[in-house]
Amino acid sequence: RKEVEQDPGPFNVPEGATVAFNCTYSNSASQSFFWYRQDCRKEPKLLMSVYSSGNEDGRFTAQLNRASQYISLLIRDSKLSDSATYLCVVRGSTLGRLYFGRGTQLTVWP
Amino acid sequence: DGGITQSPKYLFRKEGQNVTLSCEQNLNHDAMYWYRQDPGQGLRLIYYSQIVNDFQKGDIAEGYSVSREKKESFPLTVTSAQKNPTAFYLCASQNVDIQYFGAGTRLSVL
Repeated sequence: RKEVEQDPGPFNVPEGATVAFNCTYSNSASQSFFWYRQDCRKEPKLLMSVYSSGNEDGRFTAQLNRASQYISLLIRDSKLSDSATYLCVVRGSTLGRLYFGRGTQLTVWP
Repeated sequence: DGGITQSPKYLFRKEGQNVTLSCEQNLNHDAMYWYRQDPGQGLRLIYYSQIVNDFQKGDIAEGYSVSREKKESFPLTVTSAQKNPTAFYLCASQNVDIQYFGAGTRLSVL
């Protein structure tokens, strides 16, 4: 079983739409959780960390459900510039290594 | 300005040849990582180093080797034993939980 599972999509939404991504993780002892963004043929960049209480950064909201072991990312009022692949990332319980999901591809169309 | 520098951006390998990918960081981070990304796939961990002069195998270390003689540098050698080396290679350094990536090296086989 993979450490982190994501629906690869693609998700194709119009500008202004709200879109949500989920991912699940297998290790209940996982310590930290993140969403990274990766543009086509570029390196991943941190979008936001995910806290137990949930957190918001502008149009982006991340939530963590430890009991069900899933993480979500909500994007409101989608922009063309949001088109990218979103990677769900979980820090394992030992040695600090991160586990990356395959990514969910989002395309926002005008 | 601070960051992670990978070179070259593109690299071509001939059959039976070893090639070395460079990764340098000036962020003063102790931990550094090498990942491989294939099209439509997530990041897979090749090797990582938590501290100078120490490194551990990741999930797909066969056919690769690394060294960590300086804090700033973590070069990856793709040996001739790696039969399918064509991929996007990403180097990262880590501060607490967050990993920061270089721009990557695209390796192809001639």
